[in-house]
Amino acid sequence: QQQVKQSPQSLIVQKGGIPIINCAYENTAFDYFPWYQQFPGKGPALLIAIRPDVSEKKEGRFTISFNKSAKQFSLHIMDSQPGDSATYFCAAQSITRGGSNYKLTFGKGTLLTVNP
Amino acid sequence: KAGVTQTPRYLIKTRGQQVTLSCSPISGHRSVSWYQQTPGQGLQFLFEYFSETQRNKGNFPGRFSGRQFSNSRSEMNVSTLELGDSALYLCASSLGSYSGNTIYFGEGSWLTVV
Repeated sequence: QQQVKQSPQSLIVQKGGIPIINCAYENTAFDYFPWYQQFPGKGPALLIAIRPDVSEKKEGRFTISFNKSAKQFSLHIMDSQPGDSATYFCAAQSITRGGSNYKLTFGKGTLLTVNP
Repeated sequence: KAGVTQTPRYLIKTRGQQVTLSCSPISGHRSVSWYQQTPGQGLQFLFEYFSETQRNKGNFPGRFSGRQFSNSRSEMNVSTLELGDSALYLCASSLGSYSGNTIYFGEGSWLTVV
């Protein structure tokens, strides 16, 4: 059972474009939603994260939008650059409930290519 | 500050053998978790340790095991290797005292089973 569904699988944009990656979750116990960026040959690195008590969070050119009622969240990359070309993973974690609160559940990833 | 260090970075094993992977967490971090990354299944949680105790375990067979030492360093072992175990194995660390602590990943150990 895939608890976090991510789309699209791949995305190609031109420099300056605004790629949008979407994720949906099923488990209402999730209350922490990070996004990770992974370059080839490297491990995933935390990009930005959001808690469900806010609907939007911005850090630099990266913005997370969160819709708690729809159980969906998305990543927007403003003014995308070729250096942003990487695989992006959304994830979910239950922080406040016990049992699995030290475990990240990941989406399948989106391969983003930003053309010059 | 050094990041999460994993050794070896690359290894090739034969089906039926066993393998041990090592992980040194960021200094001061007491939680270490392991993930398996494959093209088909993506990133999947294996297990998490804090102060030498396993707090969480994913849905993997008993051939996958791990342990954590008193200095927070961790090892994971896979016995009786199968072709499907070929994957990137990622170690991650966090302070661990609060479940919202940021989780930092190493660069992984690439395992190929032939």
